[in-house]
Amino acid sequence: DADVTQTPRNRITKTGKRIMLECSQTKGHDRMYWYRQDPGLGLRLIYYSFDVKDINKGEISDGYSVSRQAQAKFSLSLESAIPNQTALYFCATSDLGGRATDTQYFGPGTRLTVL
Amino acid sequence: AQRVTQPEKLLSVFKGAPVELKCNYSYSGSPELFWYVQYSRQRLQLLLRHISRESIKGFTADLNKGETSFHLKKPFAQEEDSAMYYCAPLSGGYNKLIFGAGTRLAVHP
Repeated sequence: DADVTQTPRNRITKTGKRIMLECSQTKGHDRMYWYRQDPGLGLRLIYYSFDVKDINKGEISDGYSVSRQAQAKFSLSLESAIPNQTALYFCATSDLGGRATDTQYFGPGTRLTVL
Repeated sequence: AQRVTQPEKLLSVFKGAPVELKCNYSYSGSPELFWYVQYSRQRLQLLLRHISRESIKGFTADLNKGETSFHLKKPFAQEEDSAMYYCAPLSGGYNKLIFGAGTRLAVHP
């Protein structure tokens, strides 16, 4: 879905570097999410935001921080990258929230490699 | 803690064969469940949701509360069904999906 974009699409960095992954959406959704995907582990929630003033930790938030600059933008930062943060990162959005009919819309993913 | 288990990492079948991708969950209360799919070089997307009781692309999923399962089924697999499938219960209170580890379905000609 081209309405959810992520930049960069690929990034290689070194241990200790600060990295920011960006997510933008034109769907007008209030809710945004960051996940990481690792082989054999599926997707795990890092942080989520229900509006620009609401930020919540997910199940694996240690080592990460986020910023919700506007309704349309949700950035994920790795303050000091480490090799086990090498993963595929997905941003997602949703509108209604908390309802069984809701759908999450995913970005294309950012592949991050920490050397 | 709420958990979801997809016991098969890979399911390999021939075209036309029936398919069942297993999903078991541990959950308190009445769960709401989804199946998401990721085709090669495409984004993760919703396939179907339990509450809608729908059939999408020939797939159905029945919630069995006694067995705490939400298996995804299709009577006749097609090559274009080859993808990664994720079972995802909705966490109570907020729209937080808990994803299983996923099952890769490979349909051979």
